[in-house]
Amino acid sequence: QSVLTQPPSVSGAPGQRVTISCTGSSSNIGAGYDVHWYQQLPGTAPKVLIYDNNNRPSGVPDRFSGSKSGTSASLAITGLQAEDEADYYCQSYDNSLSGWVFGGGTKLTVL
Amino acid sequence: EVQLLDSGGGLVQPGGSLRLSCAASGFTFSSFAMSWVRQAPGKGLEWVSGMTGGGRIISYADSVKGRFTISRDNSKNTLDLQMKSLRVEDTAVYYCAKMRGQLLGNYHMNVWGKGTTVTVSS
Repeated sequence: QSVLTQPPSVSGAPGQRVTISCTGSSSNIGAGYDVHWYQQLPGTAPKVLIYDNNNRPSGVPDRFSGSKSGTSASLAITGLQAEDEADYYCQSYDNSLSGWVFGGGTKLTVL
Repeated sequence: EVQLLDSGGGLVQPGGSLRLSCAASGFTFSSFAMSWVRQAPGKGLEWVSGMTGGGRIISYADSVKGRFTISRDNSKNTLDLQMKSLRVEDTAVYYCAKMRGQLLGNYHMNVWGKGTTVTVSS
């Protein structure tokens, strides 16, 4: 059972828009801690996609965007491409656990 | 180029010990907190342990507290994870990760190693 809750899977056709939710609580996202998103392609290490809720590292396409409100956050991907098929994880800090927490991960399938 | 090279994984029996290492290069190692994150086969990411840049503050996930010990040598740019009393459920790929800031807290992991595989089995 992950501290942050994500849907196990989402899917969309090429060109479409999908969103992935991440729900936390008052000890992590609701406490004001930032949410970060990682993309993990099969057989590789995770890579940061969005940091501090809505910032993209250089090299990440602007098709990826993030938002945060209250105890939840969302990752939106527009103009879906086949190469976006991967696992996506949200992450934040939890002050009751004194450590970092991840969502359970969402598998994105491009139909 | 910023790089993390994690190593030390292998096959170990339940109750055994293993020491993982992470060699860092391309950045001022002592200026950044570091973490270990693991991923069990077919499962999600789980943060294991973190340490501040200066090494004074350490934190562990409840699942490994009392069994794992994180350490760093800022003169050699290395991060270690000593794992004892290993359990079958510790089987995972272990990743070394660089945090964006020096302290523990509101940061993300902006650089990851390729991972090293630990298998606990009799």
